[in-house]
Amino acid sequence: AQTVTQSQPEMSVQEAETVTLSCTYDTSESDYYLFWYKQPPSRQMILVIRQEAYKQQNATENRFSVNFQKAAKSFSLKISDSQLGDAAMYFCAYYGGATNKLIFGTGTLLAVQP
Amino acid sequence: SQTIHQWPATLVQPVGSPLSLECTVEGTSNPNLYWYRQAAGRGLQLLFYSVGIGQISSEVPQNLSASRPQDRQFILSSKKLLLSDSGFYLCAWSVGAGGITDTQYFGPGTRLTVL
Repeated sequence: AQTVTQSQPEMSVQEAETVTLSCTYDTSESDYYLFWYKQPPSRQMILVIRQEAYKQQNATENRFSVNFQKAAKSFSLKISDSQLGDAAMYFCAYYGGATNKLIFGTGTLLAVQP
Repeated sequence: SQTIHQWPATLVQPVGSPLSLECTVEGTSNPNLYWYRQAAGRGLQLLFYSVGIGQISSEVPQNLSASRPQDRQFILSSKKLLLSDSGFYLCAWSVGAGGITDTQYFGPGTRLTVL
């Protein structure tokens, strides 16, 4: 069965600095999709970035980028120039055709210090 | 553009009372629809998903049920709430039958407290 692991329950970063959130997953599928969602205090889940497994190029969305290592089954999120508004819970998620379900990790709570 | 609505935003209900949470999507046709529950400080648990009107798949056996009376309407119900039903309920939608188009977009959520 597919699993998603986020080993950092909490992280902290100084405003304007860079932080990397870790995510590993386990799957036997070769074609799948990975996502990072952000959940601010309002608790609405917001899509941050997504990556197709067949693409070697790492996805980038403004200050957010991923380091996708398919062989290592690792999918980390890098936030550059951190802002106070980046403070939130971040969830890594996996989607594959075998289950047709979005499987979430347990989340990493990111604090941004002014 | 597509938007997703959920109501109510917050709800406090006594144990044993019925429940009805509603989710509607605008700006798309024949979406896949999902209900998730998030307990405090924990990840998301998929409860139900639907690929079309009247088509409901249940992921977790419990006293909750879901219905899809219209293409873009998804309802979560219970006849008798339990204390353990307290949590944050999120509705999500996606389009497509596989691939990146199955990216799920979430509504604002409903905070349910059962007393």
